[in-house]
Amino acid sequence: AQSVTQPDIHITVSEGASLELRCNYSYGATPYLFWYVQSPGQGLQLLLKYFSGDTLVQGIKGFEAEFKRSQSSFNLRKPSVHWSDAAEYFCAVGAITGGGNKLTFGTGTQLKVEL
Amino acid sequence: NAGVMQNPRHLVRRRGQEARLRCSPVKGHSHVYWYRQLPEEGLKFMVYLQKENIIDESGMPKERFSAEFPKEGPSILRIQQVVRGDSAAYFCASSRGQGNTEAFFGQGTRLTVV
Repeated sequence: AQSVTQPDIHITVSEGASLELRCNYSYGATPYLFWYVQSPGQGLQLLLKYFSGDTLVQGIKGFEAEFKRSQSSFNLRKPSVHWSDAAEYFCAVGAITGGGNKLTFGTGTQLKVEL
Repeated sequence: NAGVMQNPRHLVRRRGQEARLRCSPVKGHSHVYWYRQLPEEGLKFMVYLQKENIIDESGMPKERFSAEFPKEGPSILRIQQVVRGDSAAYFCASSRGQGNTEAFFGQGTRLTVV
């Protein structure tokens, strides 16, 4: 069974500083990997996804993530954080089940941005 | 283009009542997934449905919970005889479901059992 570990529960960064959120996964085959962001009281918005190909993936809002098979990692990065990036971030691994896309989520990283 | 629509956004039920959560997928999507998010936790998969079929219900509690996705109309997640522990945010997602697809999430229904 697949699993996702986000080792950092809370992270605080200053506005303008760089950001890296860690994600490690366990999956028996080539994984489908996702990063979602959730603002308080809201649903999940997809930031970026990796299915295959280039291991450096660009997403929305200036985010990127790098798939490293040897480390089973899919860390999310942003070179300069904005105050509006404060939210909860979820990494997920997807399993193809009957042609669908069933996701296993990490427990999330809460990002706080100091002005 | 409407995204995934969930209603109600907030639902309060007394212990022992029934809760019905509705999810209308993105137009053209025939695959629906339900997830539950308990306080301070990530989302946990509950069930995956295609039109008129349950494909994977490995995350559904064995009792009191059921889901359907009829040929016409929204997908319904039904919780009978709710208990306090059912209080959570329930999210629905939809996808085209073929090959490399992404799932689009609704804004969730926040169920509070009093």
